[in-house]
Amino acid sequence: DQQVKQNSPSLSVQEGRISILNCDYTNSMFDYFLWYKKYPAEGPTFLISISSIKDKNEDGRFTVFLNKSAKHLSLHIVPSQPGDSAVYFCAAVTQGGSEKLVFGKGTKLTVNP
Amino acid sequence: GAGVSQSPSNKVTEKGKDVELRCDPISGHTALYWYRQRLGQGLEFLIYFQGNSAPDKSGLPSDRFSAERTGESVSTLTIQRTQQEDSAVYLCASSKGTSGGKTQYFGPGTRLLVL
Repeated sequence: DQQVKQNSPSLSVQEGRISILNCDYTNSMFDYFLWYKKYPAEGPTFLISISSIKDKNEDGRFTVFLNKSAKHLSLHIVPSQPGDSAVYFCAAVTQGGSEKLVFGKGTKLTVNP
Repeated sequence: GAGVSQSPSNKVTEKGKDVELRCDPISGHTALYWYRQRLGQGLEFLIYFQGNSAPDKSGLPSDRFSAERTGESVSTLTIQRTQQEDSAVYLCASSKGTSGGKTQYFGPGTRLLVL
């Protein structure tokens, strides 16, 4: 039973265009969401996060949108750069408890020059 | 400052052997987590340490897996009698804990291959 789903295993975009990575979740107890970027042979790198009390958080070229009613979040990268090519993981944290991260399976983004 | 470090970076072992993986969290981070990522999969939670509280071991897949943490510093993950299905990247993460923020910062991982 996958609580965090990234239904697109891969995405390819042109340099300079917008990349939109999607994530759906099923557990309404999640109250904090994060996006991580992972290069091969490296650990995940924190990118951006959003609390469930917000619907948008922006940091430079990265914006995360949260739609709680739809249990959906997305990461927008504008403009996309070749260095953004990596696997992007969506993760969620439940209220209280151990605050463990529940991850999606990731989306491999390729930005073509 | 220094990030999360893990050792060894790679480990190849024979089925049935025990292995020990080490994690050094970011200084001052009270929370420490172990995850693993098997090929083609997302990250799976294994265990969580927060200060002096009892660890959350709910993610450990079997009793062959155990972990310890000394105070708020180093942690070791031990896998006894390794099996081929234990082959994965084992990732450690730390955070400031429940009062300081939920963002977890990851180490580079230990790539374990059980032959």
